[in-house]
Amino acid sequence: QVQLQQSGPGLVKPSQTLSLTCAISGDSVSSNSAAWNWIRQSPSRGLEWLGRTYYRSKWYNDYAVSMKSRIAINPDTSKNQFSLQLNSVTPEDTAVYYCVRLVGGMADNWGQGTLVTVSS
Amino acid sequence: QSVLTQPPSASGTPGQRVTISCSGSSSNIGRDIVNWYQQLPGTAPKLLIYSNNQRPSGVPDRFSGSKSGTSASLAISGLQSEDEADYYCAAWDGSLNGWVFGGGTKLTVL
Repeated sequence: QVQLQQSGPGLVKPSQTLSLTCAISGDSVSSNSAAWNWIRQSPSRGLEWLGRTYYRSKWYNDYAVSMKSRIAINPDTSKNQFSLQLNSVTPEDTAVYYCVRLVGGMADNWGQGTLVTVSS
Repeated sequence: QSVLTQPPSASGTPGQRVTISCSGSSSNIGRDIVNWYQQLPGTAPKLLIYSNNQRPSGVPDRFSGSKSGTSASLAISGLQSEDEADYYCAAWDGSLNGWVFGGGTKLTVL
């Protein structure tokens, strides 16, 4: 039974960095068949894929074009988790953020979601 | 402004069959598989259909998916009140090199 447990602050000030962590149980962040993703959801933008990290003999990252200049998704093999960092946030980054496992092209496990509000 | 286009709403009465469409392009639905997700209020989306027409274990066979060209559809037969939820389609987009979603369809059971 795979479980994803998210942690991180629910309030971030404009221009600062949003940081979230997703702890994995029941699978490995170094799995050769899974990809570890961050997806967010807001009323104005709907569901939006942000990026992923995955291991296939070496580590790879893919990021949404709209995010590429200010996003980083990193694995932490010692803690079996992965993280999201989004720099220079604005109120438009206010959303519910989900960490998601994709296997075989399907998002079969989602974290509980974290509402992040960007406000001073 | 979602990459995949879904109708914003759909409705039906208990027992009816409803379909939800998802329109894309040759860079996403036209070249890759489609998944469907169901989202109940206040919860994370849940995988409903994968690889165009496959159901994960535990999903009733009242739910079915299909794909043709650059469009896909989700059908729900024998509509039940607990089916009232938001439904989203998703696919990998080769041009954007990322996952894209539909804007979601809110299903109301009358």
